[in-house]
Amino acid sequence: DGGITQSPKYLFRKEGQNVTLSCEQNLNHDAMYWYRQDPGQGLRLIYYSQIVNDFQKGDIAEGYSVSREKKESFPLTVTSAQKNPTAFYLCATRTPEVGSGANVLTFGAGSRLTVL
Amino acid sequence: GQQVMQIPQYQHVQEGEDFTTYCNSSTTLSNIQWYKQRPGGHPVFLIQLVKSGEVKKQKRLTFQFGEAKKNSSLHITATQTTDVGTYFCARLGNDYKLSFGAGTTVTVRA
Repeated sequence: DGGITQSPKYLFRKEGQNVTLSCEQNLNHDAMYWYRQDPGQGLRLIYYSQIVNDFQKGDIAEGYSVSREKKESFPLTVTSAQKNPTAFYLCATRTPEVGSGANVLTFGAGSRLTVL
Repeated sequence: GQQVMQIPQYQHVQEGEDFTTYCNSSTTLSNIQWYKQRPGGHPVFLIQLVKSGEVKKQKRLTFQFGEAKKNSSLHITATQTTDVGTYFCARLGNDYKLSFGAGTTVTVRA
């Protein structure tokens, strides 16, 4: 969606397994974000990256890891340390800071992870 | 992180009626953004407000930023079934963290 591809769309895993969610963008945006969505709790920020080879923890980073080796890619790994991994995961890019549409997020279609 | 609070959490509206959802912050906001997420979909950007007292309209949707830049509202007139979904406000922090409210989920009775 809007130049952001998240895969897989649905994922089922056994408890204790690490899972990596893919996020690829062709919007040429520097900044990328990962959010987790649970019913009734809105979107909570996991990690974000302002530029290649740099990333910062969000509000709920524990049990997650990321990498940003390429501008186009920002994969999220849900580790076995994450206590409640079942959720809807959304990746987004942020438009540059200049211009009328500055600092706006464009989201991918999301990945729904279910841990059995 | 610094949060924005949205009320109400749920809004059940008769088709054709108006309603308003609110977004409040305890601190001054540099800007406020609004997003809409349809059921089963992903959030989509609607509008961004940056100036004190700013009012912007998109057809039947009116967005307002408070004079003190601590609150914002979204008012929808003549609600239609296409308005169903969850509306989020979000604030951009100095560290480029975008923090979202919990959202207002809107259902429409035909």
